[in-house]
Amino acid sequence: DVQLVESGGGLVKPGGSLRLTCAASGFTFETYTMNWVRQPPGKGLEWVSYINSGSMFIYYADSVRGRFTISRDNSKNSLYLQMDSLRGEDTAVYYCVRGHGDFGAWGQGTLVAVSS
Amino acid sequence: QSALTQPASVSGSPGQSITISCTATSDFGTYHLVSWYQQHPGKAPQLIIYEGSKRPSGVSSRFSGSKSVNTASLTISGLQAEDEADYYCCSYAGNRPSYVFGTGTKVTV
Repeated sequence: DVQLVESGGGLVKPGGSLRLTCAASGFTFETYTMNWVRQPPGKGLEWVSYINSGSMFIYYADSVRGRFTISRDNSKNSLYLQMDSLRGEDTAVYYCVRGHGDFGAWGQGTLVAVSS
Repeated sequence: QSALTQPASVSGSPGQSITISCTATSDFGTYHLVSWYQQHPGKAPQLIIYEGSKRPSGVSSRFSGSKSVNTASLTISGLQAEDEADYYCCSYAGNRPSYVFGTGTKVTV
């Protein structure tokens, strides 16, 4: 079965940093585009970042560009999101998501809370 | 602010059909790869429609999708209690490039 398991969330102060990790299994990770999507508590979904299979194409939402960095290690079947200069509005559940145009597999999400 | 607008809520009785719209604030022609997601409370979203009208394996045929110039639509036919959830449209804006999610619709049965 396809599995995406996020980790690394937690409580962080404004201006702080966190690194999220997504461990993938059950499919050939190196052949898939991956994304991060977030959802603030009680609110809708927001796409955050995209990385293609070979890390040649990387895109960010305007709201995180310059502060977040997406990366992947195909040898470890892992996706990462380095989050710097965190703000209160970054508080959300962060989902690791597989696909391009069809987000067919989602992790269970990891909560990031930014508060002093 | 999302560029894809959905009604905040839609309701229907069991057995009825409902349609959820997803309207672009600009030319939807620049958007493509429209998909739809169902999200039950406390759960991760699940893909139910991709490329505008295709259903993934295992998704009920009661879910169908369509797309016109500036609007995409999701129809749920034969409404069932288990369909009560939040629904989101999503599109890839190739000229940016980025993905945009709709504002979300709460379906009540």
